[in-house]
Amino acid sequence: DIVLTQSPALAVSLGQRATISCRASQSVSISRYNLMHWYQQKPGQQPKLLIYRASNLASGIPARFSGSGSGTDFTLTINPVQADDIATYYCQQSRESPNTFGAGTKLELK
Amino acid sequence: EVQLVETGGGLVQPGRSLKLSCVASGFTFSSYWMYWIRQAPGKGLEWVSSINTDGGSTYYPDSVKGRFTISRDNAENTVYLQMNSLRSEDTATYYCAKGKDYFDYWGQGVMVTVSS
Repeated sequence: DIVLTQSPALAVSLGQRATISCRASQSVSISRYNLMHWYQQKPGQQPKLLIYRASNLASGIPARFSGSGSGTDFTLTINPVQADDIATYYCQQSRESPNTFGAGTKLELK
Repeated sequence: EVQLVETGGGLVQPGRSLKLSCVASGFTFSSYWMYWIRQAPGKGLEWVSSINTDGGSTYYPDSVKGRFTISRDNAENTVYLQMNSLRSEDTATYYCAKGKDYFDYWGQGVMVTVSS
């Protein structure tokens, strides 16, 4: 299985940039497709898709969210961070079955 | 508006069975793969099963293969998860989701507790 590694937590100040990383144990890219996706989950709620295929903003997601990366290294950026962004963020790969998720990065206020 | 509503969760003894349902609305159900994903209390997300548009192909991770069965009824816009031989480690919130290789809409989830 492809293992996705995320830092457990990240502390940021409101109005600053947050950079959340996800490293895959092997490449999750196929030709021009980078099969890494990002989700936001707030306590007691279901996950919400933020970014699909590494850099595509999902419908209704604010432009302060962006994604980048290829191969094994991917990044979710939130700039500027707002209070409503405090949540846990998960990456997910669809390059190989089984689909796997990272363990999540909890975004906290500094 | 896309809606996915799961039902059927509850408390069940180890070794017993439970069937979850997810009713979909707001999109052309028969055109999308459907998925079940679970989250143990305080833990991360785990993909549990996938089914293609006509129900002819299904997929599972090793952790549930042979015990769980996903199915769908396109006439009723419903996807099911039959869970047999339940174990304590199956305790989780179960979400249904739609998507392609990513999951663009999720239901609110249903809790399954496996305990004696």
